[in-house]
Amino acid sequence: DAKTTQPTSMDCAEGRAANLPCNHSTISGNEYVYWYRQIHSQGPQYIIHGLKNNETNEMASLIITEDRKSSTLILPHATLRDTAVYYCIVRVGRTGANSKLTFGKGITLSVRP
Amino acid sequence: GAVVSQHPSRVICKSGTSVKIECRSLDFQATTMFWYRQFPKQSLMLMATSNEGSKATYEQGVEKDKFLINHASLTLSTLTVTSAHPEDSSFYICSARDSSGENEQFFGPGTRLTVL
Repeated sequence: DAKTTQPTSMDCAEGRAANLPCNHSTISGNEYVYWYRQIHSQGPQYIIHGLKNNETNEMASLIITEDRKSSTLILPHATLRDTAVYYCIVRVGRTGANSKLTFGKGITLSVRP
Repeated sequence: GAVVSQHPSRVICKSGTSVKIECRSLDFQATTMFWYRQFPKQSLMLMATSNEGSKATYEQGVEKDKFLINHASLTLSTLTVTSAHPEDSSFYICSARDSSGENEQFFGPGTRLTVL
């Protein structure tokens, strides 16, 4: 069962911010929001994760709504190398059977020159 | 982030042969490793969870006798595809969970298996 829903695809211009939405309306209190991306024919790459506070690292920012039912991944200055499939996943943060990463279909981001 | 390697990156084999894929965590210890399979234009599907020193836990529909998993050390897990058939051709990806910190999962670069 899908725990997150994402648009199928989106594009943005190089140098502009890319805002990738994700809905997770059934998220539980102990579940984190994780974002990974997969560039063609490579393994997934961890981007960022958060529980309820907004998070920022060198790759992206994660904005989580106050009710935690949705979030947005922001790539502040998209480059052509950011073209990839981006996966939004909810997961229990610690070990245990419920802490597996289950991938949905993700959103394909295409960055155009 | 932590580094996970896979070997080989690409393998072509004849139908009926067995193929072994290695997954290593290079700079951290991983008590748990995961094996995924990805068919073209599809998402990653979890095949099994491998715990160091114990038997792997397979997802529903994955044949444990066909996909043998060994996790003999904290840095190495292997997946052996036995009696491979063309329908086993796929992109196999492993990931390792860092036992320290927040138990993040890091992925290997994947292994492209083609069975002729």
